[in-house]
Amino acid sequence: SQKIEQNSEALNIQEGKTATLTCNYTNYSPAYLQWYRQDPGRGPVFLLLIRENEKEKRKERLKVTFDTTLKQSLFHITASQPADSATYLCALFMDTGRRALTFGSGTRLQVQP
Amino acid sequence: DTEVTQTPKHLVMGMTNKKSLKCEQHMGHRAMYWYKQKAKKPPELMFVYSYEKLSINESVPSRFSPECPNSSLLNLHLHALQPEDSALYLCASSQEGVSNQPQHFGDGTRLSIL
Repeated sequence: SQKIEQNSEALNIQEGKTATLTCNYTNYSPAYLQWYRQDPGRGPVFLLLIRENEKEKRKERLKVTFDTTLKQSLFHITASQPADSATYLCALFMDTGRRALTFGSGTRLQVQP
Repeated sequence: DTEVTQTPKHLVMGMTNKKSLKCEQHMGHRAMYWYKQKAKKPPELMFVYSYEKLSINESVPSRFSPECPNSSLLNLHLHALQPEDSALYLCASSQEGVSNQPQHFGDGTRLSIL
């Protein structure tokens, strides 16, 4: 069956450093992969979407890569700030027939001042 | 503020009660979703409505009954829930139910079953 794994349950880094979060999936080759941010007690907020034929996508201090050979996406936050502390979720459609997102387990990022 | 509004924000109910969760969006989105989220877990899909028709039911127990009265509204009717049903219930919408579109989430209803 399809699995989506985010390797780190939690990641602690110092302010100003680059945070790198990993999302791995098995079996299926999605056409798109999405990243969301979730703060405690709030719903997820969409951050970035990347297509299978895009190697990299950027938005301000955020960068996402998508390696369909490795079946992996990396999510980078450069010049991290304490306000970036949150849980980050990757998500993809499991198969073309189901038409619904499945989320990875999430990585809880803590940026220390 | 989110563009998807969920009410109530908190709900405490007994196992014999009947209650409803409500979700509203005015972005003209034609796909709407219910998710259940337990603490420190990702959201788990429950139902998908596409153009006001139920398109996915993830084998959810019948004590949860979704309803889509119109393209802007989504309800989740609750009856005879169990303590393990206590969770954050999230509503989301997207332009259409396809993979290249982001989903917009509300902030959820925190449900506690006594």
